[in-house]
Amino acid sequence: AAGVIQSPRHLIKEKRETATLKCYPIPRHDTVYWYQQGPGQDPQFLISFYEKMQSDKGSIPDRFSAQQFSDYHSELNMSSLELGDSALYFCASSPRASGNTIYFGEGSWLTVV
Amino acid sequence: AQSVAQPEDQVNVAEGNPLTVKCTYSVSGNPYLFWYVQYPNRGLQFLLKYITGDNLVKGSYGFEAEFNKSQTSFHLKKPSALVSDSALYFCAPLYGGYNKLIFGAGTRLAVHP
Repeated sequence: AAGVIQSPRHLIKEKRETATLKCYPIPRHDTVYWYQQGPGQDPQFLISFYEKMQSDKGSIPDRFSAQQFSDYHSELNMSSLELGDSALYFCASSPRASGNTIYFGEGSWLTVV
Repeated sequence: AQSVAQPEDQVNVAEGNPLTVKCTYSVSGNPYLFWYVQYPNRGLQFLLKYITGDNLVKGSYGFEAEFNKSQTSFHLKKPSALVSDSALYFCAPLYGGYNKLIFGAGTRLAVHP
């Protein structure tokens, strides 16, 4: 079965650089979520989109932005990177209705040096 | 505030013995409750969920969980542990109004041969 696809899987950037992560949801899933998991931490909700509109916002820094495109894929843009942004970034997708299972991708490892 | 607690950082169990990973939650309304498992350097894999109905929910890989409304708990169980079950387990209530998962700190399960 198709899963959530994230790219790149690993990314190394220097401080103050910009990074873009991509997420391709499971077909027919109209809702996309982004989570950040720091080393040894639990996943923290960043932002979600439903039908290309932002549906909820969590602890996402102002330096970060995201959007969902017409083909439902989503991109997370991170600017002015800081060392503390080093983390595993998960994308997840689900059908909209509450209670539907939310499926996660394998994650994108971002290392800021 | 919505929250979830996994009181044990680590659970150690011998292979073949039953295991329990504890979870309590504080979520308004009738919660939807999920368990996810994370293997090293991997994404979050869905194990099982409780939406409504029977308090005992069966999931993947022989895992099950018992919903207890009066104790606001959703403990994960397995009758006979395998070494391959060793991983990080997350309990996650769904904040239904926004279809957002709230993750606990996670419990590391170590199954010894």
